[in-house]
Amino acid sequence: SQKIEQNSEALNIQEGKTATLTCNYTNYSPAYLQWYRQDPGRGPVFLLLIRENEKEKRKERLKVTFDTTLKQSLFHITASQPADSATYLCALDTGGFKTIFGAGTRLFVKA
Amino acid sequence: DGGITQSPKYLFRKEGQNVTLSCEQNLNHDAMYWYRQDPGQGLRLIYYSQIVNDFQKGDIAEGYSVSREKKESFPLTVTSAQKNPTAFYLCASSREATGRTGELFFGEGSRLTVL
Repeated sequence: SQKIEQNSEALNIQEGKTATLTCNYTNYSPAYLQWYRQDPGRGPVFLLLIRENEKEKRKERLKVTFDTTLKQSLFHITASQPADSATYLCALDTGGFKTIFGAGTRLFVKA
Repeated sequence: DGGITQSPKYLFRKEGQNVTLSCEQNLNHDAMYWYRQDPGQGLRLIYYSQIVNDFQKGDIAEGYSVSREKKESFPLTVTSAQKNPTAFYLCASSREATGRTGELFFGEGSRLTVL
């Protein structure tokens, strides 16, 4: 069956460290993969999109990698800050207007 | 500022009642979507619309209905046939109308609770 997995356990890190979140998928061949940030009780906010022919994408302190062989994406936040604390969602666009979302990983950055 | 406006933010429904969630966008996007979010689960697609007067069922359309009479508006009705409607509902839009979703712009959500 088709599945997207994100670490359901919260990630706790110290301010200034690099946070690394993982997204694994099975039985999909996505054209591209997206990452969103969601704060409690709010709608998700788009962060980054990476295409299947791209290995890495950067935006300020954010970096995303996409390995279609491993069927995995890694999302990094460097020099993390308490304001980065949120839930981060991985999403795959599989075509036909259907974007499939993972359940998200909660990140806590301690000062 | 352009964006998506959902209302109401919180809604309580008695069993057997239909309720309608509003979604309005001023981004001039063709495609609009309704997702449902439950704790510990990914967002699940209820309905989507690529263009005015056209909409398609998503993965969990049973017990829901939509309309798309205007480009800006995509209301969702949760009917009494939806057996477990308590959830967080998210409306979204995207520029793409070519079969790829692209970046999704979300509203702030509506939390529906069945009493």
